[in-house]
Amino acid sequence: EAQVTQNPRYLITVTGKKLTVTCSQNMNHEYMSWYRQDPGLGLRQIYYSMNVEVTDKGDVPEGYKVSRKEKRNFPLILESPSPNQTSLYFCASRQGRGLSGANVLTFGAGSRLTVL
Amino acid sequence: AQSVTQLGSHVSVSEGALVLLRCNYSSSVPPYLFWYVQYPNQGLQLLLKYTSAATLVKGINGFEAEFKKSETSFHLTKPSAHMSDAAEYFCAVSPIQGAQKLVFGQGTRLTINP
Repeated sequence: EAQVTQNPRYLITVTGKKLTVTCSQNMNHEYMSWYRQDPGLGLRQIYYSMNVEVTDKGDVPEGYKVSRKEKRNFPLILESPSPNQTSLYFCASRQGRGLSGANVLTFGAGSRLTVL
Repeated sequence: AQSVTQLGSHVSVSEGALVLLRCNYSSSVPPYLFWYVQYPNQGLQLLLKYTSAATLVKGINGFEAEFKKSETSFHLTKPSAHMSDAAEYFCAVSPIQGAQKLVFGQGTRLTINP
């Protein structure tokens, strides 16, 4: 089954404790992206990647890092989490390198992160 | 810069009634437009998309949306609501070319009353 898989689905952590949210897709998609969802704000893009070793900032990149060493994986790293990073995170992928807006994003099921 | 406004963070309708979720976009040129649905504890699923073909777009689960350039709108409708339609709905916009992201609206939570 074609899908985007995120782990963990739920995580409670404390301020400053480094964590990684993994994202993997099995559709051979070039483009991958991370979004965070907050009430009343919709989804906002954190980082995106158009291909292996090519990443760029989205609208809210502060406090996050990403890497794209393999085509299928796009982990989101929080080096020193803070309470304002408590949110629902979504990884998404799509075919192509983002040049055509018609390509549809496929989303993972989400990772709910709480930072105390 | 493109933006999307969804009017009404919460919409409540009775089962069998018309569903109307409003979306207005801001863009210097006609963009691509999408509606996504998020069921509880799930990711986002594509309902339908407008990519400059027919202005009336039909999606899954009986939903449809009409692109109105003069009103910069892309409202989502369904003639008869079902209990299973209860979810959060997001409108999103993307440029035709150079699309590095979807810009999402704030979301509308749809509640269906029995």
